[in-house]
Amino acid sequence: NAGVTQTPKFRVLKTGQSMTLLCAQDMNHEYMYWYRQDPGMGLRLIHYSVGEGTTAKGEVPDGYNVSRLKKQNFLLGLESAAPSQTSVYFCASSTGLAPFGEQYFGPGTRLTVT
Amino acid sequence: GIQVEQSPPDLILQEGANSTLRCNFSDSVNNLQWFHQNPWGQLINLFYIPSGTKQNGRLSATTVATERYSLLYISSSQTTDSGVYFCAAAPYSGGGADGLTFGKGTHLIIQP
Repeated sequence: NAGVTQTPKFRVLKTGQSMTLLCAQDMNHEYMYWYRQDPGMGLRLIHYSVGEGTTAKGEVPDGYNVSRLKKQNFLLGLESAAPSQTSVYFCASSTGLAPFGEQYFGPGTRLTVT
Repeated sequence: GIQVEQSPPDLILQEGANSTLRCNFSDSVNNLQWFHQNPWGQLINLFYIPSGTKQNGRLSATTVATERYSLLYISSSQTTDSGVYFCAAAPYSGGGADGLTFGKGTHLIIQP
């Protein structure tokens, strides 16, 4: 049982390049989330999904797109990377069942945009 | 949205000391979690505690939902306890789908 995994672990992009971050969970969780963490701060929610085929915006969605084609995977895309998107990205999942479920986090992806 | 405030922002202790970290939140919650972020950046789940008291070894946590605060207690600190401790909450009004709102964390340093 691997829990929540993220690919890749590190990435360097040039401004304007695109990339996709992959999150996978093997806990059969309904809910999945993407967060970003900037230096000296807590995590902030980018997008989330309450089930296969559904997505919704979080606190800081601009510049990102997501897709949830399979229940176990949640993809985060950057179409045209900007230096302001330099951050550590964390994926999380939860059951979503009452009492609403503990969130479990992946190891993170460190992204640098030059 | 919900506001989450943690105190103190920084804490330096000697090995063996006890500490209390506080988390205040501005709304009723259906999820409250404590995390330890280790020096490698990994987020480790400590407690899922929207209400009540839990203990796990040297760590314990209490959430008083009616007064909108949570406390994390660390006893007999060890150097491996060093890192940043985050409190994170989701509002009850979100119905369970909301992501967590994180506080800015307490940076704990345990000196040998």
